[in-house]
Amino acid sequence: EIVLTQSPGTVSLSPGERATLSCGASQTIRSNFLAWYQQKPGQAPRLLIYGASSRASGIPDRFSGGGSGTTFTLTISSLEPEDFAVYYCLQYGSSPSSSMYSFGQGTKLEIK
Amino acid sequence: EVRLLESGGGLVQPGGSLRLSCTTSGFTFNVFAMSWVRQAPGRGLEWVSTIGGGDTYYADSVKGRFTISRDDSKSTVYLQMDILRAEDTARYYCVKDAVNGNGIYDSFDIWGLGTMVTVSS
Repeated sequence: EIVLTQSPGTVSLSPGERATLSCGASQTIRSNFLAWYQQKPGQAPRLLIYGASSRASGIPDRFSGGGSGTTFTLTISSLEPEDFAVYYCLQYGSSPSSSMYSFGQGTKLEIK
Repeated sequence: EVRLLESGGGLVQPGGSLRLSCTTSGFTFNVFAMSWVRQAPGRGLEWVSTIGGGDTYYADSVKGRFTISRDDSKSTVYLQMDILRAEDTARYYCVKDAVNGNGIYDSFDIWGLGTMVTVSS
């Protein structure tokens, strides 16, 4: 089972600042099958990034994903008020089994 | 527009059963794997189960108690939950795989709003 560890747990930033969120994997993620999701209170998660670095449809270009192997990042180049939310990473590179998907524990991005 | 609508949640006693349904529209249902993901109150996301083609997969935490199924003629996926425990209390989201194809298991691109399941006496 691949365990994902996100850091930091909480980050406090101001609008206009740059945010860098990390997701570390306990083993190499096949083909960089790593996605990022944004979740706002009372809402379902929304897909931001898939394949480690590809933006999903309709996602602003201030969101970018990077990394490979076991270390991945989500960067928001200039924070907008609507970006303050919880962010999760998801790995989907494992073989079909009881551990085929795993999420990180989340990073809360809050307004400073 | 792709839509997923969950139903069937509610309050149930420990040891009881519930059947969740997820009715879908706006895409060719039978070529996509479908999954359930849950979120306990104030907690993170946890993958529960996936069905694709004729195959089913379960997290260890629910294996032997939950059963996922689908009716392609109704574009609907189900989650039968038996022997429910307090730790199964969560919002259950129905999610669609991002890539079509038999045996393809990719990221989740569309999520429903979820249905709340509370297990308590």
